[in-house]
Amino acid sequence: DAKTTQPNSMESNEEEPVHLPCNHSTISGTDYIHWYRQLPSQGPEYVIHGLTSNVNNRMASLAIAEDRKSSTLILHRATLRDAAVYYCILRDNVGGSEKLVFGKGTKLTVNP
Amino acid sequence: EAGVAQSPRYKIIEKRQSVAFWCNPISGHATLYWYQQILGQGPKLLIQFQNNGVVDDSQLPKDRFSAERLKGVDSTLKIQPAKLEDSAVYLCASSRYNEQFFGPGTRLTVL
Repeated sequence: DAKTTQPNSMESNEEEPVHLPCNHSTISGTDYIHWYRQLPSQGPEYVIHGLTSNVNNRMASLAIAEDRKSSTLILHRATLRDAAVYYCILRDNVGGSEKLVFGKGTKLTVNP
Repeated sequence: EAGVAQSPRYKIIEKRQSVAFWCNPISGHATLYWYQQILGQGPKLLIQFQNNGVVDDSQLPKDRFSAERLKGVDSTLKIQPAKLEDSAVYLCASSRYNEQFFGPGTRLTVL
């Protein structure tokens, strides 16, 4: 399984944008980039995913580098409820595999 | 739409005892997963079902862990006998397309 590298922790202030980086230098052409987050005492929840183009949804934006070796999850205005561990995951869709391999993620602290 | 349901939410047992966890996935989701999450780490996949068939159980410690999904809906995960290192949160997830939906998990403490 392809690996990702994320900072262990990041801090942000409420209502400011947050940019969470992820490096995936060994990404293959069929790997999708998925982001999940896990709030305290809850199961992970899906945030966003993409392949090559930048993606936007109601929760966040995903900016993917042109060479696909890195990506950035963007929370446009952080709230206290965004404090969570954010996981960047590569998922290979070849053969229909839906397996997610989680790393340790980035723990985001949001200060009021 | 109801989410993934799991029970119990908490369980405390002594080592060498047995324990079972139950999961009810979202209606219509053919794929079901069980993950183990040890404190401070990300979830680790134990087993993946497609309907009632096993797709991936490569990381399931089969000498003590077993799982079934007999009718392609609910699933149970059993540990027999439990060890201290099995203390973790056991997460169930289900999916239909790209997104996995996780339940709240069962926190197991083995004393």
